Amino acid sequence: KAGVTQTPRYLIKTRGQQVTLSCSPISGHRSVSWYQQTPGQGLQFLFEYFSETQRNKGNFPGRFSGRQFSNSRSEMNVSTLELGDSALYLCASSLSSENTIYFGEGSWLTVV
Amino acid sequence: AQKITQTQPGMFVQEKEAVTLDCTYDTSDPSYGLFWYKQPSSGEMIFLIYQGSYDQQNATEGRYSLNFQKARKSANLVISASQLGDSAMYFCAMRGGRGFKTIFGAGTRLFVKA
Repeated sequence: KAGVTQTPRYLIKTRGQQVTLSCSPISGHRSVSWYQQTPGQGLQFLFEYFSETQRNKGNFPGRFSGRQFSNSRSEMNVSTLELGDSALYLCASSLSSENTIYFGEGSWLTVV
Repeated sequence: AQKITQTQPGMFVQEKEAVTLDCTYDTSDPSYGLFWYKQPSSGEMIFLIYQGSYDQQNATEGRYSLNFQKARKSANLVISASQLGDSAMYFCAMRGGRGFKTIFGAGTRLFVKA
């Protein structure tokens, strides 16, 4: 059974650009959540989607957005990139909101 | 508000010995789940073990066991017979209530010495 797949794995962007990250959950999983990990702030929750609906959102500016498609695949977008957005972005999926979440390998974003 | 605290930024353990990684939590929800994840330098978060708040017995998964003390609100991870491949960051996490999110502690970096 395939795990959570995130693309791209590595990317470099310039300040002011926007980026879209993709996440394919484990087959059958309907909940997808996103996290940002930085050395200074640790793992911070971005948002969670279930059946195409955002059910919770972390404390991030509106530049961070996401969506989930009918096949449970999810994307997150960061607009007007800042240097501080450089981080590992982790996607996780679960059967439902009460179950264990399983992570992908993450997308390493560097903003220069 | 929910909170996870890991007070050990780094730990050293000799290969083949056991090690305990500390985790305390705070929540007002009666129902919650506690998790431990391992993160090697590659970045992927690997699920290790789960403990439900109503579980009577401590969870075990191979060399991993969770020492759950509900009254003390602690959920320590015990790794028996440490291996060099256990060197990684370890995160304690909690999921509960209607927040629909899992929150994480700051992590403990474990170094296994040969």
